[in-house]
Amino acid sequence: KAGVTQTPRYLIKTRGQQVTLSCSPISGHRSVSWYQQTPGQGLQFLFEYFSETQRNKGNFPGRFSGRQFSNSRSEMNVSTLELGDSALYLCASSLSRGGGTGELFFGEGSRLTVL
Amino acid sequence: QKEVEQNSGPLSVPEGAIASLNCTYSDRGSQSFFWYRQYSGKSPELIMFIYSNGDKEDGRFTAQLNKASQYVSLLIRDSQPSDSATYLCAPGSSASKIIFGSGTRLSIRP
Repeated sequence: KAGVTQTPRYLIKTRGQQVTLSCSPISGHRSVSWYQQTPGQGLQFLFEYFSETQRNKGNFPGRFSGRQFSNSRSEMNVSTLELGDSALYLCASSLSRGGGTGELFFGEGSRLTVL
Repeated sequence: QKEVEQNSGPLSVPEGAIASLNCTYSDRGSQSFFWYRQYSGKSPELIMFIYSNGDKEDGRFTAQLNKASQYVSLLIRDSQPSDSATYLCAPGSSASKIIFGSGTRLSIRP
């Protein structure tokens, strides 16, 4: 059974640009959550999607957005990039809504560097 | 007050000893509790979960939960060098998102 797939794995952008990251969950999983991980802040919750609807949102500015498609694949977008957006972005999938079971399966992440 | 608090460490434990990792949480509505392990450069992976007050054992790992004190811990017996990692605590509830603690870095010294 294939795991969670995130693309791209690495990317470099400059300030002001925008970026789109993709996540394909484990087959059959309907919930996709996104996290930002930095050395100073740890794992910060961005948002969770279930059945194409955003169910929960973390404390991030509106520059961070996401969506989920009918096949459960999800994308997140960051517009007007800032240096502080440099981080590892992790996607996690689960069978039910993440808060219910907590059994999140993480992808390998997309490492974003903003210059 | 942070939603989930963990001692960041590093916690250094000799090989073969018991490692004790602690976590406190603020949301009294939390119904389930999860411990994730993250090796350096890797993604987190679930290693234990507990729903009821008391202890839950799985091999060398024991999770302990005290809902009245809003406290959950993870004990690792017979610690091995392969246990060296960051351990993340995550309370959850059916109505809410999974929020992780900042993690405790554990180092097992030979």
